[in-house]
Amino acid sequence: QLVESGGGVVQPGGSLRLSCVASGFTFSSFGMHWVRQAPGKGLEWVAFIDYGGNDKYFADSVKGRLTIARDSSKNTVSLQMSSLRVDDTAVYYCAKDTGNYKFSWYFDLWGRGTLVTVS
Amino acid sequence: QSGLTQPPSVSGAPGQRVTLSCTGSISNIGSGYGVHWYQQLPGTAPKLLIYNNNNRPSGVPDRFSGSKSGSSASLAITGLQAEDEADYYCQTYDTSLSGSVFGTGTKVTVL
Repeated sequence: QLVESGGGVVQPGGSLRLSCVASGFTFSSFGMHWVRQAPGKGLEWVAFIDYGGNDKYFADSVKGRLTIARDSSKNTVSLQMSSLRVDDTAVYYCAKDTGNYKFSWYFDLWGRGTLVTVS
Repeated sequence: QSGLTQPPSVSGAPGQRVTLSCTGSISNIGSGYGVHWYQQLPGTAPKLLIYNNNNRPSGVPDRFSGSKSGSSASLAITGLQAEDEADYYCQTYDTSLSGSVFGTGTKVTVL
């Protein structure tokens, strides 16, 4: 399973760090994504980190403001968010890539999400 | 043009068949990457429903099926049931964005 934490209320321009703890699979073998959903809106892919932590990709809407990292010793992936804007308000989901030591770019396990409110 | 387009809503009576469309472009669906579908029940996280165009994960009923042609894809639900009332999203990889892209989502209502 995946369990996110770290959400909360932050002022525009502020920073926040989200974490996702994984269990039940070999964390070090799979890439991890963050996907967000603004209130009442659709899904938006945000970021991806590969199984080794070397390759990272970001949506244009967050590039330069968000960083992603992983700690395989703690089975954790994190999302450091800075220069937050009102339109970053969303539920942020952690999601597991299906590719075992490769990139598949789709998700077979999701967390319950953590709400970030920028106001 | 980035992004995948889906109809906002689709409805059907119990037992009927409904089809959800997902229209992309040459940089995503048309580039050869697989299309995946997710079901999101109210208040819950999305769940993988169909992967790589037409494959069902274990546990997904065979009432759900997917297809892809050119730069478009579709999800069919046969024998519609009340429990199928949810939001459905298509998703794939976009070569021009170097990242994943979701469809706009379709809300399925069971009449």
